[in-house]
Amino acid sequence: AQKITQTQPGMFVQEKEAVTLDCTYDTSDPSYGLFWYKQPSSGEMIFLIYQGSYDQQNATEGRYSLNFQKARKSANLVISASQLGDSAMYFCAMKEGYNQGGKLIFGQGTELSVKP
Amino acid sequence: GAVVSQHPSWVICKSGTSVKIECRSLDFQATTMFWYRQFPKQSLMLMATSNEGSKATYEQGVEKDKFLINHASLTLSTLTVTSAHPEDSSFYICSARVIRGVDETQYFGPGTRLLVL
Repeated sequence: AQKITQTQPGMFVQEKEAVTLDCTYDTSDPSYGLFWYKQPSSGEMIFLIYQGSYDQQNATEGRYSLNFQKARKSANLVISASQLGDSAMYFCAMKEGYNQGGKLIFGQGTELSVKP
Repeated sequence: GAVVSQHPSWVICKSGTSVKIECRSLDFQATTMFWYRQFPKQSLMLMATSNEGSKATYEQGVEKDKFLINHASLTLSTLTVTSAHPEDSSFYICSARVIRGVDETQYFGPGTRLLVL
């Protein structure tokens, strides 16, 4: 079974609008972390935002926020006021357990295209 | 955030040769680094976990003798692709684990594109 699922292979958004990238996860471990990374065409993986399973509030980092719904096991990324430079692949990832070696499990990614 | 470098950024080699890729944490020490492989338009596939001063832990299906990993210091891990073949052509990317209290993050290097002719 997929542990991290990103159901949107590709998304389009108009510049300056907000966009939500979906991510659902599956784990029985009560302690886990959820990450979002951006991968532009250059290939580097850029860390965007992190949410711990015990965090009470949704994580926010500038224009990025994570809509964490624990009961639904979803961790959607919201990008506000999209910019042309936001066009990239976006990966959701999960780390299970506090001390399980730190391995990340990645979703299949969503390719976001921002239209001018 | 923490900075991770990778060298070389791209390499072309002949079939049968070995290629070494370096991953360095520039402004922090990393006891744990990870090596991933990524094919075009696909997700990252974890190859192995590299721990400073000990043997790497390889994921199922990854050939230990083909992908040699050495983590000799707290700032350097190397991946050597031995006797490379065209099917080894891929994007290889490393990351370093950073733990701050109960939270942890992985910071990635810029990646290395390998083309085996």
